Amino acid sequence: DAGVTQSPTHLIKTRGQQVTLRCSPKSGHDTVSWYQQALGQGPQFIFQYYEEEERQRGNFPDRFSGHQFPNYSSELNVNALLLGDSALYLCASSLRGPDRGRDTQYFGPGTRLTVL
Amino acid sequence: SQQGEEDPQALSIQEGENATMNCSYKTSINNLQWYRQNSGRGLVHLILIRSNEREKHSGRLRVTLDTSKKSSSLLITASRAADTASYFCATDSLSDTGRRALTFGSGTRLQVQP
Repeated sequence: DAGVTQSPTHLIKTRGQQVTLRCSPKSGHDTVSWYQQALGQGPQFIFQYYEEEERQRGNFPDRFSGHQFPNYSSELNVNALLLGDSALYLCASSLRGPDRGRDTQYFGPGTRLTVL
Repeated sequence: SQQGEEDPQALSIQEGENATMNCSYKTSINNLQWYRQNSGRGLVHLILIRSNEREKHSGRLRVTLDTSKKSSSLLITASRAADTASYFCATDSLSDTGRRALTFGSGTRLQVQP
């Protein structure tokens, strides 16, 4: 049973560029959430996708956008990169709904983005 | 401060000792989860405790939850050098449409000396 996978592992960009990060959820999961983790901090919620739509969003600017595909995989896009966007970007998958057994989020290994 | 603040920020103990980490939060929750992270890598889910539970065990882990004080603690017994990592608590607030977002604290960095 494959867990959550993310690509690429590492990425180096320069200010003003755009970046796309990818995530494949755990087998059977239909909901993907993205988090940003700055060095020495806890993860911060960016947004969540279910049924190919953004369902919930944290306090991040519109430069951060995403997409979910019919196979539940997801992309995170960041435009006009700033130095402050340098972070570990984590993807988590889960099953939608309040039922027990659906409330655990499983995280991928992350993508380390460095903006120069 | 953020929802889900851990205390202490850093903890150094000897192998075989117990390690206790605390977490405080502000709003009502559906459940509280503890995660572990090794050296800036992905988060590993350790244990989940629901708002109607007071204590939960998993192997060498013991988690307590006090909703009246909005706090939780994670106890790792008989620690090992391999337990060296950062530990995060995360609160889960469920919306009426079944959507979840975890709110993390800044974590406790645990160092277990061999």
